[in-house]
Amino acid sequence: SQKIEQNSEALNIQEGKTATLTCNYTNYSPAYLQWYRQDPGRGPVFLLLIRENEKEKRKERLKVTFDTTLKQSLFHITASQPADSATYLCALVPSGGYNKLIFGAGTRLAVHP
Amino acid sequence: NAGVTQTPKFRVLKTGQSMTLLCAQDMNHEYMYWYRQDPGMGLRLIHYSVGEGTTAKGEVPDGYNVSRLKKQNFLLGLESAAPSQTSVYFCASSRDKNTGELFFGEGSRLTVL
Repeated sequence: SQKIEQNSEALNIQEGKTATLTCNYTNYSPAYLQWYRQDPGRGPVFLLLIRENEKEKRKERLKVTFDTTLKQSLFHITASQPADSATYLCALVPSGGYNKLIFGAGTRLAVHP
Repeated sequence: NAGVTQTPKFRVLKTGQSMTLLCAQDMNHEYMYWYRQDPGMGLRLIHYSVGEGTTAKGEVPDGYNVSRLKKQNFLLGLESAAPSQTSVYFCASSRDKNTGELFFGEGSRLTVL
């Protein structure tokens, strides 16, 4: 069956450290993969998109990698801050999809001062 | 900029009642979506629209109907609410089906007793 999985356990890290979140998928051939941030009681907010032919994408303190062989994307936040505390969702679009994103359940990140 | 606006934000229904959730976007986007979000699960696509006057089924369409009479509005209807439809509903829109960045509303929390 097709699955997209994120670590359901919260990730707790110390301020200033790098947070690394994992997104694994099975039985999909994504055209691209996205990462969103969701704060409690709010809608998700788009962060980054990475295409199947890209290995890495950066935006300020954020970095996303995409390994189609391992079927995995890693999302990194460097020099993390308490304001980075939120739930992070990965989403993929299968090849040929009409922008029908398939979301993982998300991983909650807590950055402690 | 309002972006994507959902109404109502909260609603409590009794089993068998009907209601409509309204989504409005002011970004002139062609694509609009309705998702539901349940604890421990990823956002799941209910219905989507690729343009005014068009709708299509997503992953979990049963028990819901939609309409897109105007480009800026996408309505989600529940004809006979069931407790299994207790959820948080998110509307989203996107400009381009190829790049896929979704803009989400703030969500509508529905409880069916």
